[in-house]
Amino acid sequence: GAVVSQHPSWVICKSGTSVKIECRSLDFQATTMFWYRQFPKQSLMLMATSNEGSKATYEQGVEKDKFLINHASLTLSTLTVTSAHPEDSSFYICSATPIGGSYNEQFFGPGTRLTVL
Amino acid sequence: AQSVSQHNHHVILSEAASLELGCNYSYGGTVNLFWYVQYPGQHLQLLLKYFSGDPLVKGIKGFEAEFIKSKFSFNLRKPSVQWSDTAEYFCAVIRFDRGSTLGRLYFGRGTQLTVWP
Repeated sequence: GAVVSQHPSWVICKSGTSVKIECRSLDFQATTMFWYRQFPKQSLMLMATSNEGSKATYEQGVEKDKFLINHASLTLSTLTVTSAHPEDSSFYICSATPIGGSYNEQFFGPGTRLTVL
Repeated sequence: AQSVSQHNHHVILSEAASLELGCNYSYGGTVNLFWYVQYPGQHLQLLLKYFSGDPLVKGIKGFEAEFIKSKFSFNLRKPSVQWSDTAEYFCAVIRFDRGSTLGRLYFGRGTQLTVWP
């Protein structure tokens, strides 16, 4: 149980285009989903916290207009990288907290590798 | 600055050798501590966690970790590693900000463990 999927797992796009990444909790409902970014040989950095039906809370230094997050249902959150540039190339990972769970209990997706040319 | 430090970036061991991976954090308040593992091509999985109580916690696959509050450390250990333990290991900390149970999960940069058969 507690499986989180991400789609796509790998995407290449041209500079200036937008890319949407989906994060789904497959066998549980999630009140909260988290989006992380990981650069090579560096730690995962929390980008934003997404609660179903409300606006995401972004971490300091993360541009909310650049990284649009939508959490429209209890099993799906999306991250859209708008007008992507090469510096946005990274590994994006989501996690989800089951309803009734605490922030201590996060289940992670497999990640999405974004390469912007 | 708030940080989670993992001292070893790459550890190479032979099977049956003992393992200890260091993790230190720099928060003074209430924290919950985690070790996650990421096997090649797979998502992050929880190895073990410490919330309170016995500072020596046991996780899956024979791993254990000891919380030493005075040293702000949470080192991961395994007495005898196996080839299948080859993976990347991440230490993580949730800090509970004053007045809120909304924790922020902070990761170390990870340690790549390679076990030779």
